[in-house]
Amino acid sequence: QQPVQSPQAVILREGEDAVINCSSSKALYSVHWYRQKHGEAPIFLMILLKGGEQKGHDKISASFNEKKQQSSLYLTASQLSYSGTYFCGTENRRGGADGLTFGKGTHLIIQP
Amino acid sequence: EAGVTQFPSHSVIEKGQTVTLRCDPISGHDNLYWYRRVMGKEIKFLLHFVKESKQDESGMPNNRFLAERTGGTYSTLKVQPAELEDSGVYFCASSRLDRDDGYTFGSGTRLTVV
Repeated sequence: QQPVQSPQAVILREGEDAVINCSSSKALYSVHWYRQKHGEAPIFLMILLKGGEQKGHDKISASFNEKKQQSSLYLTASQLSYSGTYFCGTENRRGGADGLTFGKGTHLIIQP
Repeated sequence: EAGVTQFPSHSVIEKGQTVTLRCDPISGHDNLYWYRRVMGKEIKFLLHFVKESKQDESGMPNNRFLAERTGGTYSTLKVQPAELEDSGVYFCASSRLDRDDGYTFGSGTRLTVV
């Protein structure tokens, strides 16, 4: 079942923070986060595994609440380069043959 | 390290014609996936190879779609005959077996059926 992302779109000024949420109605093994710029390949940001995790690099971090089957992506002090569409992709079990199930994406626009 | 390469980047064909998309995964990545994104909608799973074996093709829309992965290296996705609703961006992604580094996506092939 497709995870639900919110919000659908966000417009920020450079330097502001954003939170993107991803929730599933099914138990999750992992949550992946990707960013895609128009016409380009989705770029892997990070993966969070069952057991509950928080990860981050630079000013982008994420958390995974296993009990709630939710993950959140945090973008702090946003930069113009953060603009794009953010997708979460979920796996219900390790090594699932059916790959990732993606949310509909969150469009993030950063204005100078 | 070379990334995932897809070609063509764009293809415009008429309804009823045949198109073949190609994906060259990262060397050493045993997992290879095909996904499709129809305009305005989510990225949807089509099928998954481990090496040359199909693991799951539950996402393939119908029997007009045929995917192969010769020798466990590159993969092709053929659409024959193409219909209008097949238009979209077809992404290929590859990963290591453990997938702990996530997937590496190609830039996609934008297919337009007219």
